[in-house]
Amino acid sequence: NAGVTQTPKFQVLKTGQSMTLQCAQDMNHEYMSWYRQDPGMGLRLIHYSVGAGITDQGEVPNGYNVSRSTTEDFPLRLLSAAPSQTSVYFCASSYSNRDNSPLHFGNGTRLTVT
Amino acid sequence: DQQVKQNSPSLSVQEGRISILNCDYTNSMFDYFLWYKKYPAEGPTFLISISSIKDKNEDGRFTVFLNKSAKHLSLHIVPSQPGDSAVYFCAASARSGGSNYKLTFGKGTLLTVNP
Repeated sequence: NAGVTQTPKFQVLKTGQSMTLQCAQDMNHEYMSWYRQDPGMGLRLIHYSVGAGITDQGEVPNGYNVSRSTTEDFPLRLLSAAPSQTSVYFCASSYSNRDNSPLHFGNGTRLTVT
Repeated sequence: DQQVKQNSPSLSVQEGRISILNCDYTNSMFDYFLWYKKYPAEGPTFLISISSIKDKNEDGRFTVFLNKSAKHLSLHIVPSQPGDSAVYFCAASARSGGSNYKLTFGKGTLLTVNP
């Protein structure tokens, strides 16, 4: 039972490069989201999706794009990486965000932008 | 402004004793609260939750207490075990834009349980 799978685990980018962080879940969850965790900042919501074809911005969306073409996948794209995007990124899913079903998190992608 | 506050960045307790992790919130619209536990190099995992209509919820060694008038909740771990050493995130949920819920996390508290 894989749950939420994130790839890659680690990534180093140069400023200005673009990349996509992959996230897949096999629990048929309706809701998916991306968070970043920075020291002393907790978990901050970047983007989220309440179903295939529907995405919306979270607290810190600038510099990131998302799409949700299938229920299973929710990739996060960095358009032009900046050092401020150095962080640990977590993908999370839940059955729905119309109730309080708990989030299931992936194990994270540690991104360094130089 | 920070709506969910965990004012203690770290806490150290002895094995077998009680661990008490605290969380304060400012938004009176929050009506559901959750605790997540995070080990290094892993994602957070759900631990326990409480609805605002209750003041206590218990699950084995873990109990969450909610004081709505003080806008305060706490997580009690009794007895504490070395395997409980982790970062604990408090999270609060409120309805946002119709039928959807929005979750807000605190900054986390690092618990260290010493053998």
